[in-house]
Amino acid sequence: GAGVSQTPSNKVTEKGKYVELRCDPISGHTALYWYRQSLGQGPEFLIYFQGTGAADDSGLPNDRFFAVRPEGSVSTLKIQRTERGDSAVYLCASSSGLAGVGGELFFGEGSRLTVL
Amino acid sequence: GENVEQHPSTLSVQEGDSAVIKCTYSDSASNYFPWYKQELGKGPQLIIDIRSNVGEKKDQRIAVTLNKTAKHFSLHITETQPEDSAVYFCAASDNQGGKLIFGQGTELSVKP
Repeated sequence: GAGVSQTPSNKVTEKGKYVELRCDPISGHTALYWYRQSLGQGPEFLIYFQGTGAADDSGLPNDRFFAVRPEGSVSTLKIQRTERGDSAVYLCASSSGLAGVGGELFFGEGSRLTVL
Repeated sequence: GENVEQHPSTLSVQEGDSAVIKCTYSDSASNYFPWYKQELGKGPQLIIDIRSNVGEKKDQRIAVTLNKTAKHFSLHITETQPEDSAVYFCAASDNQGGKLIFGQGTELSVKP
């Protein structure tokens, strides 16, 4: 597709369950970002990849959160033992270059996670 | 790390009036300052950006100004239209490069 694709668009789960959120970036974009957005707040940085490696994972809140990008394209954000506080919209963005170095971030529409 | 503060949190203007949104940042090493517009149910979309070697940039009805000394930057929208209604976010690049730190957002409402 032409833009960043995220699936699922909505996910409702129970506390304690495991969740995977998928991001398909724009073809050829080397940088991929995950952000979390709570209601009425700005996007909060989680992690970004340059190619296959996580260049900065300083925003991951704890070890229940993990993300991979094994082939340098599609990325999966994984959340273990979900908690109600994990409820938010998880945004993915991709870029042809790093933010600040020339790459505009293109965002997907997000995956809305609700933990009951 | 970088911290970005944005205000106001809500802004209501009459169609045709101007709107100004302001942001401050904490890290003097930050060098890239984009503005994003987010419509309901959508992801943020870049509308304009500015780099630290420039003081002002304009694109039709939208302009951004940067004051490096004071570490603040502003978005100016002139001749506002109802379709400008959305949430606007400022951001700054982290001093390490590579990621953006966002402000809390401003919900702009343009009344016809």
